[in-house]
Amino acid sequence: EVVMTQSPATLSVSPGERATLSCRASQSVSSNLAWYQQKPGQAPRLLIYGASTRATGIPARFSGSGSGTEFTLTISSLQSEDFAVYYCHQYNNWPPLTFGGGTKVEIK
Amino acid sequence: EVQLVESGGALVQPGGSLRLSCAASGFALSNHWMHWIRQGPGKGLVWVSRINNDGSSTTYADSVKGRFTISRDNAKNTLYLQMDSLRAEDTAVYYCARVISGYNDYWGQGTLVTVSS
Repeated sequence: EVVMTQSPATLSVSPGERATLSCRASQSVSSNLAWYQQKPGQAPRLLIYGASTRATGIPARFSGSGSGTEFTLTISSLQSEDFAVYYCHQYNNWPPLTFGGGTKVEIK
Repeated sequence: EVQLVESGGALVQPGGSLRLSCAASGFALSNHWMHWIRQGPGKGLVWVSRINNDGSSTTYADSVKGRFTISRDNAKNTLYLQMDSLRAEDTAVYYCARVISGYNDYWGQGTLVTVSS
């Protein structure tokens, strides 16, 4: 099973600042890595797939990078609606498909 | 507009059974693999099961293998999850999600399953 480790668990950021979230895989997942955003009481929403491709309708302030075992999600200038929990997800080696434990982005 | 609507969640006693449904609209279910993914209270996302386009191939997480059964009725545009021998640790919000090249592009709003006596 590929273990996905996200860091930090919580990130405190002021609106307008840059946020950098990390995701590490226990073995290579190539570029088969997605990022999701989840707000309280809502379903996850796809942000990034293929490690770096923004999903339809996702603002350009969200960007993904990395391949193999190290991945990053960057939010260039945090807006109020961006405070949420973010999950990475590998879909290269399965079963099982695996998710990271999440990073909560909170208002500083 | 793509929509996935889950139903069937309820409070059930340990050892009991439940059948979840996921009604798809805005696209042809027959064109897509589908996943069930769950999220325990205050916890992260955990993949449960997947099914291919015509239902001929299914895969399960070890934690539910032998107890849960995923199925689909493409004519009704509906996905199912039959859950038997339920345990307290199965308590979670259950999401159905459409699969595109392995990842999930659309998710339903989820249905809550609570296993408790």
